[in-house]
Amino acid sequence: DAGVTQSPTHLIKTRGQQVTLRCSPISGHKSVSWYQQVLGQGPQFIFQYYEKEERGRGNFPDRFSARQFPNYSSELNVNALLLGDSALYLCASSLAPGAVVNTGELFFGEGSRLTVL
Amino acid sequence: QQQVKQSPQSLIVQKGGISIINCAYENTAFDYFPWYQQFPGKGPALLIAIRPDVSEKKEGRFTISFNKSAKQFSLHIMDSQPGDSATYFCAAGRNYGQNFVFGPGTRLSVLP
Repeated sequence: DAGVTQSPTHLIKTRGQQVTLRCSPISGHKSVSWYQQVLGQGPQFIFQYYEKEERGRGNFPDRFSARQFPNYSSELNVNALLLGDSALYLCASSLAPGAVVNTGELFFGEGSRLTVL
Repeated sequence: QQQVKQSPQSLIVQKGGISIINCAYENTAFDYFPWYQQFPGKGPALLIAIRPDVSEKKEGRFTISFNKSAKQFSLHIMDSQPGDSATYFCAAGRNYGQNFVFGPGTRLSVLP
């Protein structure tokens, strides 16, 4: 069974550009979250989506946006890139938001590594 | 109140030894405490998790100890193996949702 898949795996952008990252959750999972992991730090929560609706947002500027599609895949968009946006962007999926606590089933993809020059 | 502190930053242990990583949280609303293991180039993978209604949970060589009054929890890795060499993150979450707060991580190296 395929796990959480993310694309692209690596990308390089310049300051001011825009980037779109994509995530396909595990089959049957309806909830997707995005995390930013700066080198040497723990992941930081950006967004959670469930049934195409935003269910949570972390402390990130409005340059960050996301959406979830009817097939439960998701995109993360970052506009007006800054050097500080360089990080590994992780997507995680679970059956539903509450399923994470009840069963511990939160699965992470391998991430998209974004470098902003 | 959302911060999760983790120590040590790095840890070197001999094969067969015990690895201990400690975490502390502030927000008493947290009621789910997972540990994640991350290898280079990979996403974090759930290792073990605990709810605050128990003080200890053991799965194989991995044990979580939880002290609700002190708002602290720790991961013990018994009989540490070179394959355990990875970065370990503690995290804390609430009863609903995926808004986990992660610690800064501990880089574990197990020497053969």
